Amino acid sequence: AQTVTQSQPEMSVQEAETVTLSCTYDTSESDYYLFWYKQPPSRQMILVIRQEAYKQQNATENRFSVNFQKAAKSFSLKISDSQLGDAAMYFCASGYQKVTFGIGTKLQVIP
Amino acid sequence: GAVVSQHPSWVICKSGTSVKIECRSLDFQATTMFWYRQFPKQSLMLMATSNEGSKATYEQGVEKDKFLINHASLTLSTLTVTSAHPEDSSFYICSARTGGAQDTQYFGPGTRLTVL
Repeated sequence: AQTVTQSQPEMSVQEAETVTLSCTYDTSESDYYLFWYKQPPSRQMILVIRQEAYKQQNATENRFSVNFQKAAKSFSLKISDSQLGDAAMYFCASGYQKVTFGIGTKLQVIP
Repeated sequence: GAVVSQHPSWVICKSGTSVKIECRSLDFQATTMFWYRQFPKQSLMLMATSNEGSKATYEQGVEKDKFLINHASLTLSTLTVTSAHPEDSSFYICSARTGGAQDTQYFGPGTRLTVL
């Protein structure tokens, strides 16, 4: 069984500042992926970043980066230089054959 | 990233009727597609895993006779909500798995179903 925990229901960040969203997971699988997805008000799920669990190097995608701590089963998302368009629900997810999602963190960006 | 389409984007139907939702991977072949349901302000709940050419695998508590899934080709999966009732009103989202070295799920834009 897999569980994904996002302990921050809501976060806010000033435009151009940096924010970190937390995520912890638990899995019995030896091989799995970790994801962060963004869901704006349109409700389209958009892949933000992807990490293979066997890779030690943290994934980065432009302003988005992760801090992957495998032993601690932690997978946080850092958004640098926050923009108004970053405002959305952010879901952390874990899995291989099937992906389990956390309950989401609502990110507000303050102009 | 890969593109997944979903049709219709919204549908309103009368109680007792059936509704079909299509999910297509537009620029890749997907041996596996997934169907999720999302209630307002909640996370995605996996309903079933759809494998091309075989029967879908349903999650516990999901009625397979209520939610019929067909994955007839590598680019198309359909979800049919049979004899829909108001409690079936929800946001349904499909995803398609790319497989390969960059194995990732890409999501369709979702379908809002309202049953009157």
